[in-house]
Amino acid sequence: QKEVEQNSGPLSVPEGAIASLNCTYSDRGSQSFFWYRQYSGKSPELIMSIYSNGDKEDGRFTAQLNKASQYVSLLIRDSQPSDSATYLCAVNSPPTSGTYKYIFGTGTRLKVLA
Amino acid sequence: DVKVTQSSRYLVKRTGEKVFLECVQDMDHENMFWYRQDPGLGLRLIYFSYDVKMKEKGDIPEGYSVSREKKERFSLILESASTNQTSMYLCASSLGIAGGQETQYFGPGTRLLVL
Repeated sequence: QKEVEQNSGPLSVPEGAIASLNCTYSDRGSQSFFWYRQYSGKSPELIMSIYSNGDKEDGRFTAQLNKASQYVSLLIRDSQPSDSATYLCAVNSPPTSGTYKYIFGTGTRLKVLA
Repeated sequence: DVKVTQSSRYLVKRTGEKVFLECVQDMDHENMFWYRQDPGLGLRLIYFSYDVKMKEKGDIPEGYSVSREKKERFSLILESASTNQTSMYLCASSLGIAGGQETQYFGPGTRLLVL
């Protein structure tokens, strides 16, 4: 069974600090990796995608990918209370038929304390 | 902007009823997906479709069926609703390009309660 693992949290950080969210995956064939943010009662929205080893930055967010170690992380700099949400890691699964599917982790709940 | 809409935000049904959940996307996406989300279990794929009239089982298809008669619309059907199908149901769509480097866009979700 292909898996994506995340610490469920909650991860509590003070306002202005760096929040570090981690995700590991089991399928070495996975090629695309995504971070979604989900506020309570809402649907997931994409924050970042990453496909190559290394870092990818977008504003306050940095995604890091290490395929050899099979982990992907998300750093949030200058954390704000509005960043408080559940962060879902998604990994694509090479198709057995039809098209690529995602495998989602169960999410890490982040709480940014004012 | 991609827009994925779902027919209802909240739904209450009785055990044994047939339930239809509708999803429509307006960006000519090839792929559409139905997930359910439960606390502690994350998002689990029920069914997906990569073309009109094409469907594939996901990880938890039991008790569900789907229909995709038009490219923009993907319906999830609970043939005989049961209490263990109480959940948040999320529809998503993606463009459908080679290599899997594509984003899935989610609808707002339908919170279904089966009594």
